[in-house]
Amino acid sequence: NAGVTQTPKFRVLKTGQSMTLLCAQDMNHEYMYWYRQDPGMGLRLIHYSVGEGTTAKGEVPDGYNVSRLKKQNFLLGLESAAPSQTSVYFCASRQLAGAYNEQFFGPGTRLTVL
Amino acid sequence: AQSVTQPDIHITVSEGASLELRCNYSYGATPYLFWYVQSPGQGLQLLLKYFSGDTLVQGIKGFEAEFKRSQSSFNLRKPSVHWSDAAEYFCAVGARGGTASKLTFGTGTRLQVTL
Repeated sequence: NAGVTQTPKFRVLKTGQSMTLLCAQDMNHEYMYWYRQDPGMGLRLIHYSVGEGTTAKGEVPDGYNVSRLKKQNFLLGLESAAPSQTSVYFCASRQLAGAYNEQFFGPGTRLTVL
Repeated sequence: AQSVTQPDIHITVSEGASLELRCNYSYGATPYLFWYVQSPGQGLQLLLKYFSGDTLVQGIKGFEAEFKRSQSSFNLRKPSVHWSDAAEYFCAVGARGGTASKLTFGTGTRLQVTL
């Protein structure tokens, strides 16, 4: 099993450009999450999904959109990138049953917006 | 809403010394508690978790943590640190019964190990 994978690993954008980050998991997990990690701020939840075809806003959703068309994939989109979106983005997934089940994390995508 | 405080931004210990990383949480009931470790350039890996029962939980890599309800704490400990333990450590809290079991993370503690 590959676990949780993220594509791409690194990306540099210019202000106003758009891009999509792809998260894929092969563990048949129902729940998927997108976080951003900034120095001194820990991980903050952007959007999450509790199943195929469903998405919901997290703590810092502005400027991002998501889609979960297939159970194994969770896409994070930036329609018009801003320097404030320079960050490391992590995807995670979790089994449906048991709130105490851990979230499994991908390796991250480092995004720089110039 | 739940919250997590990790009061130490950066800690330096000598290899072989003991380690304690502090975590305090705010939540109205008994929460789910987690410790994750992040090595440089990597994603987060679960060290251990608490959800009920014995308040001293054992994790991977020789780590343990103790849940203290009276102090709202879940401190991470290791009796003898190895150079490979240098990483960033995150405490997280999850609400019981909440939708999607969202986690709230602390701001992290960066551990440096000197030889």
